[in-house]
Amino acid sequence: AQSVTQLGSHVSVSEGALVLLRCNYSSSVPPYLFWYVQYPNQGLQLLLKYTSAATLVKGINGFEAEFKKSETSFHLTKPSAHMSDAAEYFCAVSASASKIIFGSGTRLSIRP
Amino acid sequence: DAGVTQSPTHLIKTRGQQVTLRCSPKSGHDTVSWYQQALGQGPQFIFQYYEEEERQRGNFPDRFSGHQFPNYSSELNVNALLLGDSALYLCASSLVVAGSDEQYFGPGTRLTVT
Repeated sequence: AQSVTQLGSHVSVSEGALVLLRCNYSSSVPPYLFWYVQYPNQGLQLLLKYTSAATLVKGINGFEAEFKKSETSFHLTKPSAHMSDAAEYFCAVSASASKIIFGSGTRLSIRP
Repeated sequence: DAGVTQSPTHLIKTRGQQVTLRCSPKSGHDTVSWYQQALGQGPQFIFQYYEEEERQRGNFPDRFSGHQFPNYSSELNVNALLLGDSALYLCASSLVVAGSDEQYFGPGTRLTVT
């Protein structure tokens, strides 16, 4: 069985500060891991994905995530937050070309 | 290159009614998945269609059914609507290629059941 736990339903950072969104996963097989972003009243946009090629994954908009098997974590980071980063972020896991299991989401707010 | 499209954008139905939502996959994709996203929650997998067959199903009752057409587009049908069916319904498309697991999401259909 697979599952995802996102730590913190709401994270608030100042503009220019480091963004860190936490995600831990559980999977009985080598997982595919994803981070998606959702802006208000929109669908999901893929930020980045891990598919076992490299443990540090770079995505769009300056985001990156590091796969740590020993910690079963896949935290999302960005060195400097922009106001436009305010959105809902979802960590997700998949075993193969099949269903994606999503976390409950973390709402990121950016303070001016 | 058109992405995933869904129709309608918004829909209001009454309890007990039936609804059909539609999805056109991204060009070149052959697999369609449907997800339900209740307010304030992450998307929940409903089912996936490939080669016009239901390939995998999540924990949803039989009131939820689907179909995939030869052109890979898909429909989600929900019968006997309940208030709890109010949600954003997301369609995602992908290509069944070994090692590829990326799903592209549409903008969703917002269903309100009154």
